[in-house]
Amino acid sequence: GNSVTQMEGPVTLSEEAFLTINCTYTATGYPSLFWYVQYPGEGLQLLLKATKADDKGSNKGFEATYRKETTSFHLEKGSVQVSDSAVYFCALHLGGSNYKLTFGKGTLLTVNP
Amino acid sequence: NAGVTQTPKFQVLKTGQSMTLQCAQDMNHEYMSWYRQDPGMGLRLIHYSVGAGITDQGEVPNGYNVSRSTTEDFPLRLLSAAPSQTSVYFCASKTGTLNSPLHFGNGTRLTVT
Repeated sequence: GNSVTQMEGPVTLSEEAFLTINCTYTATGYPSLFWYVQYPGEGLQLLLKATKADDKGSNKGFEATYRKETTSFHLEKGSVQVSDSAVYFCALHLGGSNYKLTFGKGTLLTVNP
Repeated sequence: NAGVTQTPKFQVLKTGQSMTLQCAQDMNHEYMSWYRQDPGMGLRLIHYSVGAGITDQGEVPNGYNVSRSTTEDFPLRLLSAAPSQTSVYFCASKTGTLNSPLHFGNGTRLTVT
């Protein structure tokens, strides 16, 4: 079946540090890939996405590249801020009439000033 | 623009009680879904609907019922609450467009004692 594996957290960084959160996937077919972010006390919201191999999604300084050869979609940011503290979820979706997303377990990021 | 609205925000139930978690969206989205979020487990799909009158089971449907009589509303019913249903519940919706994002509500924190 389809699955998403994220690096386990929590991840604690100082402000302006470089961030990488690893995500790999297993899927039958060619999924679309997403990163969602959950700020404290809120629901998830879409951070970025990539719909085909070698696509790069980017938003708010975050980037992730869809690597088909390594089945990966690692999230990166060059300089994190305290306001980036949140839980980050990697997810995949296979097209067709099936609307369901498969989520990873989430990675808690804490950024200290 | 309200988006996805969930009520209540918090609820405490005793084992065996029943209740309904409400979810409403004002974006005319075809697809609606319910997830539960538990520590170390990520998000797990309970039930989903691809349109009014159509519902289907997700990964963890036991103990929950849903109905979709209108496009806007997708209530989740717990018929006889159990401590294992203590969790944070999220409702989410999206359009039928491929790769459109899921829009989440802010969640309902349920405790069953």
